[in-house]
Amino acid sequence: EADIYQTPRYLVIGTGKKITLECSQTMGHDKMYWYQQDPGMELHLIHYSYGVNSTEKGDLSSESTVSRIRTEHFPLTLESARPSHTSQYLCASSEWRDSGANVLTFGAGSRLTVL
Amino acid sequence: GNSVTQMEGPVTLSEEAFLTINCTYTATGYPSLFWYVQYPGEGLQLLLKATKADDKGSNKGFEATYRKETTSFHLEKGSVQVSDSAVYFCALSFTDKLIFGTGTRLQVFP
Repeated sequence: EADIYQTPRYLVIGTGKKITLECSQTMGHDKMYWYQQDPGMELHLIHYSYGVNSTEKGDLSSESTVSRIRTEHFPLTLESARPSHTSQYLCASSEWRDSGANVLTFGAGSRLTVL
Repeated sequence: GNSVTQMEGPVTLSEEAFLTINCTYTATGYPSLFWYVQYPGEGLQLLLKATKADDKGSNKGFEATYRKETTSFHLEKGSVQVSDSAVYFCALSFTDKLIFGTGTRLQVFP
């Protein structure tokens, strides 16, 4: 069962449009992440958050922005979409287990195509 | 820096064949190691993990052993099924963030 939800699953839009990809989790996790997955399957961390009002940029530079106003919600916004933004975007959340491993739970992804 | 290297795919096998997907890592220190699986059209799911040297992670018939001496975490399964067809990602983590390998696509044919 999915405890982390992403909408929309698929989005096709024109260049210059503003888009927001939604991500919500019901597990009460403090940490949340956005990964960009290119067609070659490689995953790149673009944003993460340690909790409400906390946002950090990831390893891959991205023109997108994020916000974390509520624990359960971590939306990603592109102010002006371009074809180079075409990709799959995966949201994840995590909790630190007693075993010392940071286990991520992923959403099903949002596949964005910019024409 | 820290990184993960996986064997390139696709790996193509017949049903009931033995599977090995190689994964090696470079890290300063001793990270936790993971295998995630991505089925078509879905997000990633945790398959198994190991948090210290010589630990063996296992799930759904898959196994991987944390080998500090060879900095490896190879994924194995004794008898694959068509339903195992997916992309498999090896990953490491020290604290909050995961570093993923490039993924290996497995295709199993009946």
